[in-house]
Amino acid sequence: EVQLVQSGAEVKKPGESLKISCKGSGYSFTSYWITWVRQMPGKGLEWMGIIYPGDSDTRYSPSFQGQVTISADKSISTAYLQWSTLKASDTAIYYCARPGVGALSRLDYWGQGTLVTVSS
Amino acid sequence: EKVMTQSPATLSVSPGERATLSCRASQSVSYNLAWYQQKPGQAPRLLIYGASTRATGIPARFSGSGSGTEFTLTISSLQSEDFAVYYCQQYNTWPQTFGQGTKVEIK
Repeated sequence: EVQLVQSGAEVKKPGESLKISCKGSGYSFTSYWITWVRQMPGKGLEWMGIIYPGDSDTRYSPSFQGQVTISADKSISTAYLQWSTLKASDTAIYYCARPGVGALSRLDYWGQGTLVTVSS
Repeated sequence: EKVMTQSPATLSVSPGERATLSCRASQSVSYNLAWYQQKPGQAPRLLIYGASTRATGIPARFSGSGSGTEFTLTISSLQSEDFAVYYCQQYNTWPQTFGQGTKVEIK
């Protein structure tokens, strides 16, 4: 069974750094891309970027380029989303999701989401 | 970037009735269009991909149609568990983009 298990909720202050995780299991982690999606409070879904854990090829939406860093550690089947300097506007639920075959594909499997709250 | 526009923003429907949701792309996305359902406090769930193919385990009352720039999700007879927010997503080109969502609520 394919599973994506995300790290737990975080409460941070503006200016702090953060790295959240997404652990894949039940499939070959290095053979499928992992996508990150943001959902701000009461709002819709925003596609942030994608990584191929096999070779760490990474693409970002222009809206998120330079704002976050996506990475992966294939040795532990885990993808990451990180911020160096959090802002209050980063408060959101962040989902990881696994597309089907290839990067340009529907999102077949989703993690449970990680709530990030940034507040002074 | 391809902009996906969903309509209406909110759809009020009685149980047992038919619901028709629309999604329009600013440029052609061919058949590379997916629909997702999201209930409060849950992650989105894939319903339809390739514009018209139901995902595994999705009931036959959900159907998708369209190509290019105009797409439709139809729920033939709404059940209580179908009241949720629905999103379309194009995966034709980078960056992949979502519509703003349609909330299907009980009338």
